[in-house]
Amino acid sequence: DQQVKQNSPSLSVQEGRISILNCDYTNSMFDYFLWYKKYPAEGPTFLISISSIKDKNEDGRFTVFLNKSAKHLSLHIVPSQPGDSAVYFCAANRISSGSARQLTFGSGTQLTVLP
Amino acid sequence: DSGVTQTPKHLITATGQRVTLRCSPRSGDLSVYWYQQSLDQGLQFLIQYYNGEERAKGNILERFSAQQFPDLHSELNLSSLELGDSALYFCASSAGAGNEYNSPLHFGNGTRLTVT
Repeated sequence: DQQVKQNSPSLSVQEGRISILNCDYTNSMFDYFLWYKKYPAEGPTFLISISSIKDKNEDGRFTVFLNKSAKHLSLHIVPSQPGDSAVYFCAANRISSGSARQLTFGSGTQLTVLP
Repeated sequence: DSGVTQTPKHLITATGQRVTLRCSPRSGDLSVYWYQQSLDQGLQFLIQYYNGEERAKGNILERFSAQQFPDLHSELNLSSLELGDSALYFCASSAGAGNEYNSPLHFGNGTRLTVT
């Protein structure tokens, strides 16, 4: 049972345009969400996060939007750069459980930014 | 460089065998986490150790076990290996016990295990 789903295995975007990566979750107990970026042969690196008490969090070119009623979050990258080409993982968490690091990950979306 | 070191990078072994994966956390981090990523899947949480003690357990098979040593490095032992155990195994570390949610995990580069 996949509690966090990334339905698009891949996405290609032109350099300078907006990249939108989507993520859906089924567990309404999740209250903290994160995006990780992964380059080949490296481990995931933290990108941005959002608490369920917010609907938007912004960090430079990266913005995460959370729609709790739809159990949906998205990551916007503006403008996209070739160096953003990587696999992006959505992850969710139940802070209230006291085990904040038992992240549940989606299967990832390969973003390719074309020059 | 995350500061988390995993060895070996690659491991090829046969079904029924036993292997040990090793992880050295970032300097100063007390918690170590193990995650498994099978083909085209997300990372699955296996187990967490904090300062030598088991802190949390996820979907870890009984054939798998882990420990954290006094120098804080951790080992993940996989036994009676099956073809389906082929995966990337990631180790991550954090400074605290794990409930400081706004401090992200730092992942190593993983060990790719291939069971033939």
